[in-house]
Amino acid sequence: KAGVTQTPRYLIKTRGQQVTLSCSPISGHRSVSWYQQTPGQGLQFLFEYFSETQRNKGNFPGRFSGRQFSNSRSEMNVSTLELGDSALYLCASGRGYEQYFGPGTRLTVT
Amino acid sequence: SQQGEEDPQALSIQEGENATMNCSYKTSINNLQWYRQNSGRGLVHLILIRSNEREKHSGRLRVTLDTSKKSSSLLITASRAADTASYFCATDASGGSNYKLTFGKGTLLTVNP
Repeated sequence: KAGVTQTPRYLIKTRGQQVTLSCSPISGHRSVSWYQQTPGQGLQFLFEYFSETQRNKGNFPGRFSGRQFSNSRSEMNVSTLELGDSALYLCASGRGYEQYFGPGTRLTVT
Repeated sequence: SQQGEEDPQALSIQEGENATMNCSYKTSINNLQWYRQNSGRGLVHLILIRSNEREKHSGRLRVTLDTSKKSSSLLITASRAADTASYFCATDASGGSNYKLTFGKGTLLTVNP
């Protein structure tokens, strides 16, 4: 069974721009969660989607948003990028109690 | 905020030795999971232990959970150079979503050949 895939794997953006990251969950998984990982703050929960509805949200500003499509694929968007948004963005899909993570998208904001 | 806190922050051992990492958390949980991450890549799920379980084994991994102390430990036996990675514990809060995980800052394990 194919794992969680994320595109793109690497991204360089300029401050003030916006970015969209994509995540395809494991087939049959309806829950998709997003996490941000930085050296300073570690791994932090962004949001979770289930059946196209945002079910949980972390403590991030409104510049961070997401959505889920009917095929469970998910996108997250960050508008008006700041230098501090440079991070590894990880997507996870789950069914039951366990979550399985993708390889991540490394975003660098210059 | 980080609920889980792993210790030690870094651990260096020789191949063949056992490695023990600890994790503490602050609130009641449903489950506790351990993940491995190699060099800033994605997280690999290692093992899940439920709040009503005390010990669980998977291959060379042994996890214990003490809910009264709000702590867990991960033991890797007969370590190999390929076990070199960062290890994170993650919890989901009791009454919350299974999929909203709170991670600790991780333990960086180095296994020297």
